[in-house]
Amino acid sequence: DQQVKQNSPSLSVQEGRISILNCDYTNSMFDYFLWYKKYPAEGPTFLISISSIKDKNEDGRFTVFLNKSAKHLSLHIVPSQPGDSAVYFCAASADRGSTLGRLYFGRGTQLTVWP
Amino acid sequence: DTGVSQNPRHKITKRGQNVTFRCDPISEHNRLYWYRQTLGQGPEFLTYFQNEAQLEKSRLLSDRFSAERPKGSFSTLEIQRTEQGDSAMYLCASSLVGLAGGTDTQYFGPGTRLTVL
Repeated sequence: DQQVKQNSPSLSVQEGRISILNCDYTNSMFDYFLWYKKYPAEGPTFLISISSIKDKNEDGRFTVFLNKSAKHLSLHIVPSQPGDSAVYFCAASADRGSTLGRLYFGRGTQLTVWP
Repeated sequence: DTGVSQNPRHKITKRGQNVTFRCDPISEHNRLYWYRQTLGQGPEFLTYFQNEAQLEKSRLLSDRFSAERPKGSFSTLEIQRTEQGDSAMYLCASSLVGLAGGTDTQYFGPGTRLTVL
């Protein structure tokens, strides 16, 4: 069963606007969340992460929000650029003690940013 | 380039043959992970090592699969008697976990695409 869900397989946004990618999870033991970006024929590239003790983390154009009560997180990209077009994966870890073990991934959302 | 490297990048084999993939992690990273990704899915965890110790294995890792990290540096993933269902992208990732713990981030290699005919 899918413990991390990305219900939107695709998202299309105009350049300069905000992209919002969503992710839901079912396992209440998850305490660390990450977003990866993936281009075709390449491995996933780490973007940003957030610990369950926070509700927001920001890095340049990328901000991740975590709503633990709703078991929901989102990635905001502002402003969106054509180079952001890629598949975005949400991932979560259930390890305690603040060390990571296995990651559980969603199925990804294909973001297309058009000029 | 000091990132995670994987070889080969592509492998085509016939059903029933054995294949072996290699992963070289980022230098000094003590954790190494293997994942598998099929079309339309996110990466699925297979196994991971801390130094040379294999700490966890997924149920996906059948007895035809074996992974090693003999000296705590590079790792190999072998699939024996390949089946068409083994066709996938095999991803390797590495991370650094300090003695005091702390959150770590997994950095992925480019993957090895396996096609079983």
